Amino acid sequence: AQSVTQLDSQVPVFEEAPVELRCNYSSSVSVYLFWYVQYPNQGLQLLLKYLSGSTLVKGINGFEAEFNKSQTSFHLRKPSVHISDTAEYFCAVSAPNSGGSNYKLTFGKGTLLTVNP
Amino acid sequence: KAGVTQTPRYLIKTRGQQVTLSCSPISGHRSVSWYQQTPGQGLQFLFEYFSETQRNKGNFPGRFSGRQFSNSRSEMNVSTLELGDSALYLCASSWGDRETGEAFFGQGTRLTVV
Repeated sequence: AQSVTQLDSQVPVFEEAPVELRCNYSSSVSVYLFWYVQYPNQGLQLLLKYLSGSTLVKGINGFEAEFNKSQTSFHLRKPSVHISDTAEYFCAVSAPNSGGSNYKLTFGKGTLLTVNP
Repeated sequence: KAGVTQTPRYLIKTRGQQVTLSCSPISGHRSVSWYQQTPGQGLQFLFEYFSETQRNKGNFPGRFSGRQFSNSRSEMNVSTLELGDSALYLCASSWGDRETGEAFFGQGTRLTVV
């Protein structure tokens, strides 16, 4: 079975500062990796995904993430944040379920990013 | 292309009642998954339906059930509501057979049990 650890439950930053949200995963098989964002009282929106190829993945709203297989990490970064980036961010991994017949998403517990003026 | 639609957006129910939530997936998607989100437990997987069959199941009591129709729309039912069932219920759809696991979420139904 796979698991996801988001190392920080809350990250406060000032506007225009850089930010990194950390995500580590464990799995005995190859995985696909995702970052989702959730604004208050909304569903989850896909920010970016790693399926294969280049380990540096660019997403919407200026976010990017780097897949590091040796460290089993998929950290999310943005060089300069805005007030509007205040939201909860979820890292997720997808891997075949035990029967191998389909893929199952497993989420981390989320990181609340608060951008202050 | 329309996204995932969940109805209703908000519900208030009394303990002991039952409730049905609805989810319409993106056109062409055959998999629908349901999640419960609470401040204490985070996102918890309830179950997944694919082609009208439950394909995966989380660790929830039998009071939580679901079904999927031939047009891929899904409903989730919670019977004998408890205060602890108050949560945001999220539905996600995916192709189901082009497997990367990527899912598209609805805006959720906020259930309050009083």
